[in-house]
Amino acid sequence: QKEVEQNSGPLSVPEGAIASLNCTYSDRGSQSFFWYRQYSGKSPELIMFIYSNGDKEDGRFTAQLNKASQYVSLLIRDSQPSDSATYLCASPSRSSNTGKLIFGQGTTLQVKP
Amino acid sequence: SQTIHQWPATLVQPVGSPLSLECTVEGTSNPNLYWYRQAAGRGLQLLFYSIGIDQISSEVPQNLSASRPQDRQFILSSKKLLLSDSGFYLCAWSEGGGELFFGEGSRLTVL
Repeated sequence: QKEVEQNSGPLSVPEGAIASLNCTYSDRGSQSFFWYRQYSGKSPELIMFIYSNGDKEDGRFTAQLNKASQYVSLLIRDSQPSDSATYLCASPSRSSNTGKLIFGQGTTLQVKP
Repeated sequence: SQTIHQWPATLVQPVGSPLSLECTVEGTSNPNLYWYRQAAGRGLQLLFYSIGIDQISSEVPQNLSASRPQDRQFILSSKKLLLSDSGFYLCAWSEGGGELFFGEGSRLTVL
């Protein structure tokens, strides 16, 4: 079982809709999670992180963490074509204290005008 | 503010040739440094990480090596490239945990 898993997609939503991206993790002790956005041919950029159960909102983005069910979600409201990218979920590896992140495979989001 | 630079951005190399990718971080001291590789259509694979000068750990056996000659400089090398070394190489830094910040990436094609 992979430590962090995502559906590769593609997830296709119409412009203006809510896009819901999901991530599950295997280590019940994982404490923090990061969402990165990666445009085609570019490097990943951090868009949100979440440490506590519940929701965290930042503009059109909401991260949701459910530690009991071991899943993390990223909601994008009012999706725009510019949101079309691959979204990577990541969590620090607990096997060392070096802060290295374990990434999921990423979910490709397509927002259609 | 902190910045990270990585070069070259693109390179095409023949099989068996050497490789050197360089990464430097500015605006911070004693960062953790990382090299990731992303093969076409795949996720990010951690290759090396370093918590200090000359302190480097390898995550996967391969024909690549890494060095950290200075606090904010991280170099990825190979003596002889394989076809399977093709990919998008990403250098990243963190302040000992938490979020990673990535460089612009180096796209390597081995022919």
